[in-house]
Amino acid sequence: AQKVTQTQTSISVVEKTTVTMDCVYETRDSSYFLFWYKQTASGEIVFLIRQDSYKKENATVGHYSLNFQKPKSSIGLIITATQIEDSAVYFCAMREGEGGRALIFGTGTTVSVSP
Amino acid sequence: NAGVIQTPRHKVTGKGQEATLWCEPISGHSAVFWYRQTIVQGLEFLTYFRNQAPIDDSGMPKERFSAQMPNQSHSTLKIQSTQPQDSAVYLCASKDRGDERLFFGHGTKLSVL
Repeated sequence: AQKVTQTQTSISVVEKTTVTMDCVYETRDSSYFLFWYKQTASGEIVFLIRQDSYKKENATVGHYSLNFQKPKSSIGLIITATQIEDSAVYFCAMREGEGGRALIFGTGTTVSVSP
Repeated sequence: NAGVIQTPRHKVTGKGQEATLWCEPISGHSAVFWYRQTIVQGLEFLTYFRNQAPIDDSGMPKERFSAQMPNQSHSTLKIQSTQPQDSAVYLCASKDRGDERLFFGHGTKLSVL
């Protein structure tokens, strides 16, 4: 069965610095998709970035990048040059590639960015 | 594009009453997902439809919960005989064919008194 684990409950950083969040996953499938989503204070959940299991290169979108370590079943999210509006809850998620499975989420990491 | 629309935004029911939650996916999206979010359990998958057909309901409580998608423009989640532990934010999301991103609605906050 698939499982996603985020052990960091909360992280506080100062604006313009870099924050790194951890996520480990469990799957028996050889093909899977990994995602990070952000939930703002208003409750809105938005997609940030994605990593396909067969791709060796780490995905990067804007100031979001991933640290994909397949042997460790790890997919960390890195946010560089943080801004106040990056304060949110960040969810790691996974979808197994076989059989039309649904997206399963981790428990989330709350990031607080202060001036 | 109005995004995924969920109604109502808030619903308060008495214990034992029925609650029906509505979701209108983004036009043209082929899959609709239902999740439930609580402080304790986080984001829990409930069920999903693809091209209106139920694909996976492994997260649905076997009793009292049911979901339908009678047409491509809306899906409903019905909870019969609501209990206080059903209190949560119920989130609907839709996905386009060939696109792995889920687009979430703002959710329906259900409070069972």
